[in-house]
Amino acid sequence: QVQMLQSGPGLVKPSQTLSLTCSVSGVSIISGGYYWTWIRQHPGKGLEWIGDIDYDGKSHSNPSLESRVTLSRDASQFFLNLHSVTAADTATYYCARGLLLFSDYVGAFEVWGQGTVVTVSS
Amino acid sequence: EIVLTQSPVSLPVTPGEPASISCRSSHSLLNSNGFNYLDWYVQKAGQPPRLLIYLASSRASGVPDRFSGSGSRTDFTLEISSVQTDDFGVYYCVQAQQRPPTFGQGTKVEIK
Repeated sequence: QVQMLQSGPGLVKPSQTLSLTCSVSGVSIISGGYYWTWIRQHPGKGLEWIGDIDYDGKSHSNPSLESRVTLSRDASQFFLNLHSVTAADTATYYCARGLLLFSDYVGAFEVWGQGTVVTVSS
Repeated sequence: EIVLTQSPVSLPVTPGEPASISCRSSHSLLNSNGFNYLDWYVQKAGQPPRLLIYLASSRASGVPDRFSGSGSRTDFTLEISSVQTDDFGVYYCVQAQQRPPTFGQGTKVEIK
């Protein structure tokens, strides 16, 4: 059974880099068949896709964040770095696994991490 | 960016009664392969979302058959045939047609 466990700091200072890790057990990230995704939710708000990375390391990120996002992975973990954070980046961050049903299908987030509440404050 | 609009925003329901949520897209989600790239999720307080429906009408693993999805192109519906107490939460539609995937604003299904 696939499990996804998030880790990372709950408090980040403005202008610094938010770094989160999603540790995956039960399947290898580099085995193919899935997108490894980051999504966030601002307090009391809806959901925002941050970006994803696939088995061969190809990544995409939301144009609204693209210049500040770095995604990477190894065989059992994938990583989010969000640079130059501000208070507007305060949110709950989730990692999730998306099904690669079709090459152009970016969805079916069927397994999720537990979420990490991140506050940006000095 | 594709915009999804859900209605209603709030849906009070008596347990045992049916419920229906609408999701309208600013662009067609019908792919050239014949599938509609639209998913549905439910989120409970303090938890991550849970996938219910993908490709507009396919139930995810373990999802009860009281949940069904329908629709095509720009108009989609999630129906719950008989709402159970475990079904209360916020429901989101999500388009998977193009990056970035975008979410509807959510529909809160609550006890009437």
